[in-house]
Amino acid sequence: DTGVSQDPRHKITKRGQNVTFRCDPISEHNRLYWYRQTLGQGPEFLTYFQNEAQLEKSRLLSDRFSAERPKGSFSTLEIQRTEQGDSAMYLCASSATGASGANVLTFGAGSRLTVL
Amino acid sequence: DAKTTQPPSMDCAEGRAANLPCNHSTISGNEYVYWYRQIHSQGPQYIIHGLKNNETNEMASLIITEDRKSSTLILPHATLRDTAVYYCIVTTRGATNKLIFGTGTLLAVQP
Repeated sequence: DTGVSQDPRHKITKRGQNVTFRCDPISEHNRLYWYRQTLGQGPEFLTYFQNEAQLEKSRLLSDRFSAERPKGSFSTLEIQRTEQGDSAMYLCASSATGASGANVLTFGAGSRLTVL
Repeated sequence: DAKTTQPPSMDCAEGRAANLPCNHSTISGNEYVYWYRQIHSQGPQYIIHGLKNNETNEMASLIITEDRKSSTLILPHATLRDTAVYYCIVTTRGATNKLIFGTGTLLAVQP
């Protein structure tokens, strides 16, 4: 297993377009997280899945954002009608359940979005 | 989750120990201290965590004061590859496992 994979690594789009990011977590991890990070700031929590269930969403996740994890494996994060303020690094992370996995997240390298 | 305070930046000479402080004076009894780091253009990486005892692993040591109001992450022999932003996070080991990141400390290891 090569860790958490994210695709694409870089995306440049025009304002108003839709974009979708994919995350493939570590196979035995049943928890998956999305974070957003802007320059000079720490990652901000967006949403969290346990298996296929989306259990928590941040207020940062406006109605233009939607995340899915249809079979409890990979996840997608879609941003509709992108705005320049959506420009950021979108990070995916996964973790195991139980004491050994508690709060130990493995992050991917991120997908950088630039909205022109 | 308790709030943490970290210096925005620190320097360290290569080969020397890097001691990164974190203040968490409002920590509660069931909250753990976690440390992550983020090397430029990469996602954050877990380093170590602890409750009240000092902890050591292959990457670092974590020293937590007796009153648990502060902690220090120690990289015993810093290398240039340790240059990164280091995040101290205090959280319960709850069902969510959600981590709230601050702005961290930028550690610059100098040759």
